[in-house]
Amino acid sequence: GAVVSQHPSWVICKSGTSVKIECRSLDFQATTMFWYRQFPKQSLMLMATSNEGSKATYEQGVEKDKFLINHASLTLSTLTVTSAHPEDSSFYICSASGLVSGETQYFGPGTRLLVL
Amino acid sequence: QQQVKQSPQSLIVQKGGISIINCAYENTAFDYFPWYQQFPGKGPALLIAIRPDVSEKKEGRFTISFNKSAKQFSLHIMDSQPGDSATYFCAATNAGGTSYGKLTFGQGTILTVHP
Repeated sequence: GAVVSQHPSWVICKSGTSVKIECRSLDFQATTMFWYRQFPKQSLMLMATSNEGSKATYEQGVEKDKFLINHASLTLSTLTVTSAHPEDSSFYICSASGLVSGETQYFGPGTRLLVL
Repeated sequence: QQQVKQSPQSLIVQKGGISIINCAYENTAFDYFPWYQQFPGKGPALLIAIRPDVSEKKEGRFTISFNKSAKQFSLHIMDSQPGDSATYFCAATNAGGTSYGKLTFGQGTILTVHP
């Protein structure tokens, strides 16, 4: 199967700082990438969908000015949590799909964010 | 109409037994149904997927059964092993639609297989 990586795997930051999370498709071109947030023992909550070269489409209730998404190339998307606060602490997961994978989304390993 | 309802919330099975997880959907535009397996602290991994033009798909010990008229699909894990202990999510999408394959996830099932 296709491989998607995320970096960093975990990050601790102080309240008010910004954190950038990278999502890379390692062996296929990802025309679409998705960003999810997951709370303990809960399902995945879609935050936004991004297509390469286009602005991201955010789900209802997700602050686009707080969660900046960039999909500048067919193998890289970034999520920046701006002015992070403790309530932003969560497990962030990206997924990717492309022409080769079709409708199948391949997920990254996730990034654990802890805001102190 | 976008919901996918998954049950049970948790499941305990003895080693060698059959684990069965059920999902139901409302949106008849859904045309692709994947199952994902997630271990603690990891991202979901695609397990098996089915399209509505077939009623069953089997890959090793994992089988999806699909009932289009009832709008239900289920995952069967045969000969369950302790290593299968994980959270399982069903999902659905309209792959041919304008949502870029956005997945709608079920609530998840925590499977525990006792040795």
